[in-house]
Amino acid sequence: GENVEQHPSTLSVQEGDSAVIKCTYSDSASNYFPWYKQELGKGPQLIIDIRSNVGEKKDQRIAVTLNKTAKHFSLHITETQPEDSAVYFCAASGYSTLTFGKGTMLLVSP
Amino acid sequence: EAQVTQNPRYLITVTGKKLTVTCSQNMNHEYMSWYRQDPGLGLRQIYYSMNVEATDKGDVPEGYKVSRKEKRNFPLILESPSPNQTSLYFCVSGTYRYTEAFFGQGTRLTVV
Repeated sequence: GENVEQHPSTLSVQEGDSAVIKCTYSDSASNYFPWYKQELGKGPQLIIDIRSNVGEKKDQRIAVTLNKTAKHFSLHITETQPEDSAVYFCAASGYSTLTFGKGTMLLVSP
Repeated sequence: EAQVTQNPRYLITVTGKKLTVTCSQNMNHEYMSWYRQDPGLGLRQIYYSMNVEATDKGDVPEGYKVSRKEKRNFPLILESPSPNQTSLYFCVSGTYRYTEAFFGQGTRLTVV
């Protein structure tokens, strides 16, 4: 089955800095790669996604890149703000399942 | 409003007492799944369904059952809960291959 590795597990940045979270996947049949943000006490929420026929996608301060050949994708957050502090999950979608990385706790200090 | 509704949000129960966690979505999604979230282990899939009357095991199905008699509902059944099933459970629904999947609010289950 699919295996998704996510790094780092914890990331601390100063407000205004950029943050990068990286994921790798194993199944070349996966073709949809969403990112979720989970705030304390809440369920994960979709923040951005990318499909396998696209190399990069941007939405305001958030961008995702995908390298299908190397089987890795990354989340980039620019100009971080304290409200960006949360746990972020990457995922890879196969035919029947959505496989998640173990998560990255992002801490943005004012 | 598009949503996935889980009930209950919190539950404390005793070992061996059957329980059901309900999940309902209002988006006419075909794909639904149950995940459990544990510290250090992330989100692991318990069962999934790609349509009515079509369910299959995920990565950690032992001790759980599901059913999908209607498109909108996907209950998770623990027939004889044990303490190792203490966890945070999420129901997820999405369109084809979980595109734009939505999570429920989560159910915090404690089995004593």
